[in-house]
Amino acid sequence: AQTVTQSQPEMSVQEAETVTLSCTYDTSESDYYLFWYKQPPSRQMILVIRQEAYKQQNATENRFSVNFQKAAKSFSLKISDSQLGDAAMYFCAYRGSQGGSEKLVFGKGTKLTVNP
Amino acid sequence: NAGVTQTPKFQVLKTGQSMTLQCAQDMNHEYMSWYRQDPGMGLRLIHYSVGAGITDQGEVPNGYNVSRSTTEDFPLRLLSAAPSQTSVYFCASSPSRGQPQHFGDGTRLSIL
Repeated sequence: AQTVTQSQPEMSVQEAETVTLSCTYDTSESDYYLFWYKQPPSRQMILVIRQEAYKQQNATENRFSVNFQKAAKSFSLKISDSQLGDAAMYFCAYRGSQGGSEKLVFGKGTKLTVNP
Repeated sequence: NAGVTQTPKFQVLKTGQSMTLQCAQDMNHEYMSWYRQDPGMGLRLIHYSVGAGITDQGEVPNGYNVSRSTTEDFPLRLLSAAPSQTSVYFCASSPSRGQPQHFGDGTRLSIL
């Protein structure tokens, strides 16, 4: 079964600086999808970024980018120019592409604090 | 578009009671899922569906039932509530496996 590991339960960053959140996963599939979700105190689950495993290019969305290392099974999230509104729980998630892999598997999350 | 709508937002039950958490989506998505979120555990999959009439178990299915008679609705039933089922429950949907899931706002359920 696929597993997702976020090794940093908590992280903090100064406003305007850059922070990187780590995520590793375990799978035997060659094609799959990876996601980062943000959950602010409002409890909403908000998609931050999505990566398709067959694409070499790292995904970017404004101040958010990923470092996708397929061989190492690593999918870290970089937040540039951190803002107070970035404070939230961040979840890394994996979804397979084969039958029976429709499930979205989440890591346990990283709580990000942004200090003014 | 309303997206994914969950009702109720909050609920308190007594041990042994049964109830149904409602989930509806208006995006014509084939994939729908139920998760529970507990402190320090992330989101864990309870049940999921890949289309009307098709459901399957996730990681933590015990004590819960689902059915999918229409594309729009995917209710989650607690058969006999237990304190261990106190949690926040999320419903989600997506048009296909590779697309991101859209989440409802969650239901906070407390069982006394």
